Order: sequence, then C-alpha cells, then structure tokens
Amino acid sequence: DTGVSQNPRHKITKRGQNVTFRCDPISEHNRLYWYRQTLGQGPEFLTYFQNEAQLEKSRLLSDRFSAERPKGSFSTLEIQRTEQGDSAMYLCASSSRQGAWVAKNIQYFGAGTRLSVL
Amino acid sequence: DQQVKQNSPSLSVQEGRISILNCDYTNSMFDYFLWYKKYPAEGPTFLISISSIKDKNEDGRFTVFLNKSAKHLSLHIVPSQPGDSAVYFCAASAHLRNTGNQFYFGTGTSLTVIP
Repeated sequence: DTGVSQNPRHKITKRGQNVTFRCDPISEHNRLYWYRQTLGQGPEFLTYFQNEAQLEKSRLLSDRFSAERPKGSFSTLEIQRTEQGDSAMYLCASSSRQGAWVAKNIQYFGAGTRLSVL
Repeated sequence: DQQVKQNSPSLSVQEGRISILNCDYTNSMFDYFLWYKKYPAEGPTFLISISSIKDKNEDGRFTVFLNKSAKHLSLHIVPSQPGDSAVYFCAASAHLRNTGNQFYFGTGTSLTVIP
C-alpha cells in the first residue's frame, strides 16, 4: 500500500495527557498537511510542510499543538495537555510538487487518527 | 467564517437518476475547486477538480460545473449507483497565493443512492 498512512487509528486519552500522532506520506510527495475534522464539519486546515520546513500554520493550532517533519519524510503532530475540545479526527494529506498542474494540486488523505479525550 | 458552504446536509436519489450536489463559496480569490468523496472509517478520496479558467469538467459519470459570477459549483453524478453513497465534500483553494494550497472544505453532503 503506497497511500498515506496514519498511526494510531484511534487514541483514547485522559484530559491533561500528551498525545502524539504519526503520518507517513506517499513516498515521493514533498508536501504534507494536517487537518482536523469534528463531527458534522469538513476538514479544517492546521498546518503545512514543504519538505522539512513548516510554511504555514492555522490560528487553530494553539500553543499546545506542535508538528514536526524532521527529515522531510514522516511527520508527527503532538498535542500537550489535551482538553475535551481536542476530540476530533486528525487527518494527514500529502501532495507532490512534481508533474502536471492538476496532479500537483491534489491532496491525498490518510484514514485519520480519531482522538477521544475523556 | 465558513468560506465554503454546502447547504444540503443530505440527499437521497434513486439508482439510475441524476445526483446534483451543490457548493457555494465566498472568497473571490479561490481559483481551484475539488470534490472529495468519503466513506466511513476512510479518509477523503479525490474525485474531480476544476480550475477557475474553466466552467465544466467531466470525468466519466461525474461532471463539475463552475459559475464564477455566482460563486457556485455543482457536482453531477449520472447515472447514480448505490456505490456512490458516501459523504461528498467540496473544497477550494487560492492557488495563485502560493501558500501551499491550503484547502477550505465545506461541511459535506451525505448522498444515499437507493437501489
């Protein structure tokens, strides 16, 4: 399977704990995105990497959230001191900078990590 | 501030008939629009896209229409099949801003195709 892989698929944690999610993008994709999706809503942009550089962050990404992509391959999203409002599906997507214009502008999504904060 | 809106949370259509899903946007800077399809327990899957230089793009049973003056796009599926039953998200980006193609998503429309 050469699609976007996210781990874990589900995470249940207690309020105040830290959690970390991992995303492995499609191997030749140099762009990586994190989104958050709550019930009844569409995905909301959190942050974007081009290679290892974090180029854009949404105001939704509070100080408790941090994302890294140290070698320009996989990425991690950490949430510190989780709150019940952090409960959501966290989606990762990747896209390529190469190829035709249409191909460069399609984001491919993983299945997501569902976080439940008790 | 919801910049992309899908005002119909759900739609039911008989198999073989046309499904029309609608999407409205407010940001005139958007120049690229996509439709994604999502099954339960899976991530969104790209379906079809359209650039703002076009007003129609067709791929098999799927056609997307763009009306820039009305800031409106629609997805037509014909003929509809039971396997098309899923949640459909409209997404938009302002590619020319060169901000990495952040996508703005609508809230989705749940399509049910009745056999």
